[in-house]
This record gives sequence, structure tokens and C-alpha cells, in this order.
Amino acid sequence: KQEVTQIPAALSVPEGENLVLNCSFTDSAIYNLQWFRQDPGKGLTSLLLIQSSQREQTSGRLNASLDKSSGRSTLYIAASQPGDSATYLCAVSNYGGATNKLIFGTGTLLAVQP
Amino acid sequence: DAMVIQNPRYQVTQFGKPVTLSCSQTLNHNVMYWYQQKSSQAPKLLFHYYDKDFNNEADTPDNFQSRRPNTSFCFLDIRSPGLGDAAMYLCATSRVRSTDTQYFGPGTRLTVL
Repeated sequence: KQEVTQIPAALSVPEGENLVLNCSFTDSAIYNLQWFRQDPGKGLTSLLLIQSSQREQTSGRLNASLDKSSGRSTLYIAASQPGDSATYLCAVSNYGGATNKLIFGTGTLLAVQP
Repeated sequence: DAMVIQNPRYQVTQFGKPVTLSCSQTLNHNVMYWYQQKSSQAPKLLFHYYDKDFNNEADTPDNFQSRRPNTSFCFLDIRSPGLGDAAMYLCATSRVRSTDTQYFGPGTRLTVL
């Protein structure tokens, strides 16, 4: 059974700092991995999608890497801003079976202090 | 401009009183999903539709039902809400089952009194 873990559960950094969020998963047979952002009381916004054959994806100040063999992904945020404050969720899509679904971690709550 | 729309954004119901949540999409995607997210927990898939093909998760309670009358709309029916069903309900869409990005709506916050 696939399990997704995110560490740390919460993180507070001063504005301008570079930071790394971690995601690990137990079953390496994945189709892809997605990073999402969730603001309080809101839905999820997709940030980056990495297919299982890829090693990383970049969008602006965000860079996500994937090491499928070790079951790890990282989300790197450069030059953090107060507007980056949110919960960041990673989710994997598993290979095989009639139903392929996203399995989420519980997220990292990020606070960027001005 | 909205792509996945959920109504209402906030829903209050009484214990045992049926409630229906609505999701619509302008993306013309084949797949629509319903997730339940309880406070400080990860979203959990309840079921999804691939076109008209309904796929229920094994651990989704019978209390939860879904309808998809056409490509654009999908409904979540909770037949007899209990206090434990209070949660954020998220609707998402994608083009194919597993290889594409899922696009999420803003969610419906359900309160059960």
C-alpha cells in the first residue's frame, strides 16, 4: 500500500530564504508525482507535475526533483516571499490496477515571515 | 475564467439530512474525481468517473453516492450525513486517468450540526 510522507509538517522562514520541502513514498511504481499548493480554506493549485521518467521540473522560483528509485521528491523554493505562505502537498499517481488515483501526503505548512 | 466550479462553497446541514454538492467543469475533461479532506489531513479519494464509468474506492462508505448526468457536471450526494462527514469536499478533473495533471475546484466546506 502506497504511503506518502512529508517532512517537515511545518516550517517558518524569513523572507528571501531558499528552502526545501521533502516528500517520500513507499512504492516506487508511480506514474507521476505532483506538488500542490493549498491556501487556508481553499482548493488545491497544481504547481509542478513530474512524470516517472523525468528527474525534475521547473516553474519560476520553484524546482521539483524526483528520485523514483529512492522514493523521494523535493520542492525547492528560491527567494521565498510572504505570498508563498501556504500548505504544500505532494501526491503520487500509482501504476497498475483499474483505478489510478492520487495519494497525498499530509502536507507541509509554510510560513514566510516578512 | 474558472475551470472547475463547485457550489455551494459552504454548506451547513443537519445530522441525517441529505445534502448534494455540485461540481461543474469547462475543460471538457473525461475524468472527474471527488475527494474528502478532513481538517489537517490529506485529501482522500472517494470515487471518480471516467466518462460514464463510475469507480468507487473500496473504503468509501455507502452513505456517499455520485451522479454524472453529462460531461460537465458531477454531483456528490450524502444520504444521511453524520458528524464525522464534516470536511472539505474537493472536485477535480483530468483528461486521462493517471498521466495528466488534476485540476481542482475551490472546494465545498460541509458543516454538520
